[in-house]
Amino acid sequence: QKEVEQNSGPLSVPEGAIASLNCTYSDRGSQSFFWYRQYSGKSPELIMFIYSNGDKEDGRFTAQLNKASQYVSLLIRDSQPSDSATYLCAVRVGTYKYIFGTGTRLKVLA
Amino acid sequence: DARVTQTPRHKVTEMGQEVTMRCQPILGHNTVFWYRQTMMQGLELLAYFRNRAPLDDSGMPKDRFSAEMPDATLATLKIQPSEPRDSAVYFCASGPAGQPQHFGDGTRLSIL
Repeated sequence: QKEVEQNSGPLSVPEGAIASLNCTYSDRGSQSFFWYRQYSGKSPELIMFIYSNGDKEDGRFTAQLNKASQYVSLLIRDSQPSDSATYLCAVRVGTYKYIFGTGTRLKVLA
Repeated sequence: DARVTQTPRHKVTEMGQEVTMRCQPILGHNTVFWYRQTMMQGLELLAYFRNRAPLDDSGMPKDRFSAEMPDATLATLKIQPSEPRDSAVYFCASGPAGQPQHFGDGTRLSIL
């Protein structure tokens, strides 16, 4: 079992819809969770981070964390074609080590 | 905007040659990470440093890869000898301890 799992996609949503990206992790001791966006040929870019159970909102993005279920998600409201990218979930294990999922490819259809 | 700077951006070389990739972390960031990204494996952690000291390099093939931080402004990743299977994009990232890390633009490496 991989430590951080994501559906590879592609996840296709129409423009203006809500995109829901999901991630599960195996280490119950994980404390910090991150979402990165990566455009093709570019480097990962930090979108959101969340440390506590519940929701965290930033503009069109909402991160949701459920530690009991070992589940973290990213919602993108009013999806735009420019949101089309691969979204990487990352979990910090211990003090410094980060484990990344393989990413979910999102396609927003105009 | 402060950025992690990586050089070179692209490198093409023949197998058996030494490859050195360099990274200048963001000033004030005391944790530095090296990752390798391929289509098949995704983003793999190779090594990381805190305050220039190596904390974990278990993700690296020890016989050919080495990572160092000769000073706070420079991290290096060396491959000697290089092999075609080392072809990948290598990313450096830095962050304050316990805070999100920020990535450089990467070095796209092709070993022929």
